[in-house]
Amino acid sequence: DQQVKQNSPSLSVQEGRISILNCDYTNSMFDYFLWYKKYPAEGPTFLISISSIKDKNEDGRFTVFLNKSAKHLSLHIVPSQPGDSAVYFCAAPRADLAGTALIFGKGTTLSVSS
Amino acid sequence: DTAVSQTPKYLVTQMGNDKSIKCEQNLGHDTMYWYKQDSKKFLKIMFSYNNKELIINETVPNRFSPKSPDKAHLNLHINSLELGDSAVYFCASSQSTGWTEAFFGQGTRLTVV
Repeated sequence: DQQVKQNSPSLSVQEGRISILNCDYTNSMFDYFLWYKKYPAEGPTFLISISSIKDKNEDGRFTVFLNKSAKHLSLHIVPSQPGDSAVYFCAAPRADLAGTALIFGKGTTLSVSS
Repeated sequence: DTAVSQTPKYLVTQMGNDKSIKCEQNLGHDTMYWYKQDSKKFLKIMFSYNNKELIINETVPNRFSPKSPDKAHLNLHINSLELGDSAVYFCASSQSTGWTEAFFGQGTRLTVV
């Protein structure tokens, strides 16, 4: 039962342009979302999060937007840099486990070319 | 200083063997996890421990046995390895059970041949 969906397996962007990574969710009980970034042969690292009481959270070049009515969130990276090339995972605390573990999307591989 | 470290990074073994993966965190966190990333690239929770007590066992076969000697360590022992156990296993920790931001280790790529 895939409750967090990242439907685009990959995205290619030129350096300096905007990268937009999308995530959809099915469970309206989710009230917090996280984005993780993963380089090859490394573990995921936390990037940015958003609470359902907000519709936007910004941290430097990274902004996450949340549209609760559409059950959709997106991560914007502006400007994109070659070092941003990685797999990006959308995640949410599992409501059925009282938020004690995360459910992850399948990830989107971002490639930023110089 | 690595916050969450797991060993080994790569593990190749034959079917039927027993193997262990070790994990240590130096963040002072109360909660530790094992996640599995399968061939379809999904990251799924397997186990969670809070202060050495098991709080999540996500329908994992009982060939998998986590052990937490103290709250800084969570090891994963796997008996009678099967081909389908091949995956990347990630250890993680968080400040508490209600703290959603988890810190992950580098992963252990297990290949069963």
